Amino acid sequence: KQEVTQIPAALSVPEGENLVLNCSFTDSAIYNLQWFRQDPGKGLTSLLLIQSSQREQTSGRLNASLDKSSGRSTLYIAASQPGDSATYLCAVNGETSGSRLTFGEGTQLTVNP
Amino acid sequence: NAGVTQTPKFRILKIGQSMTLQCTQDMNHNYMYWYRQDPGMGLKLIYYSVGAGITDKGEVPNGYNVSRSTTEDFPLRLELAAPSQTSVYFCASSYEGGKYQPQHFGDGTRLSIL
Repeated sequence: KQEVTQIPAALSVPEGENLVLNCSFTDSAIYNLQWFRQDPGKGLTSLLLIQSSQREQTSGRLNASLDKSSGRSTLYIAASQPGDSATYLCAVNGETSGSRLTFGEGTQLTVNP
Repeated sequence: NAGVTQTPKFRILKIGQSMTLQCTQDMNHNYMYWYRQDPGMGLKLIYYSVGAGITDKGEVPNGYNVSRSTTEDFPLRLELAAPSQTSVYFCASSYEGGKYQPQHFGDGTRLSIL
């Protein structure tokens, strides 16, 4: 059974700092890994999707990497801003899970002005 | 483009009552999903559908039922509400099984069972 773990559970940083969020998964047979952002009281917004054949994806100040063999992904946020404050979730789409996502528990990020 | 729309946004139920959570999408996606999210936890899959007339159980299906009569709609029904079903429910959809495209989520239904 696929298990997804995110570390740390919560992170508080001053504005302008670069930061890294971590995600690990137990079964490397995946189609892709996705990073989502969740604002309080809102649904999930897809940030980046990395295919299993890719090493990284970039969108603006966000960069996500994937090391499938070791079961790890990182989300790098450059020059953090208070507007980046949210919960960040990673999810894997496993080859044996029939199009179903397995989610981590999320990292709650607070960027202080 | 509305995307995925869920109604209601909030609801309080008494133990033993029943209700239907509505979900509709206007992106012509074949795949639709229902998740629940408990406080401080990730999302767990309740049911999913790969097309009209086809549904299948996810990780936590007990106490729920679904139907998929059209491509657009995927309602989730609670028959006998229990306190353990207090949660935030999210509906999502995707064009294919999520191999190449991300799932799109609604804003959720916050449900309390008292």
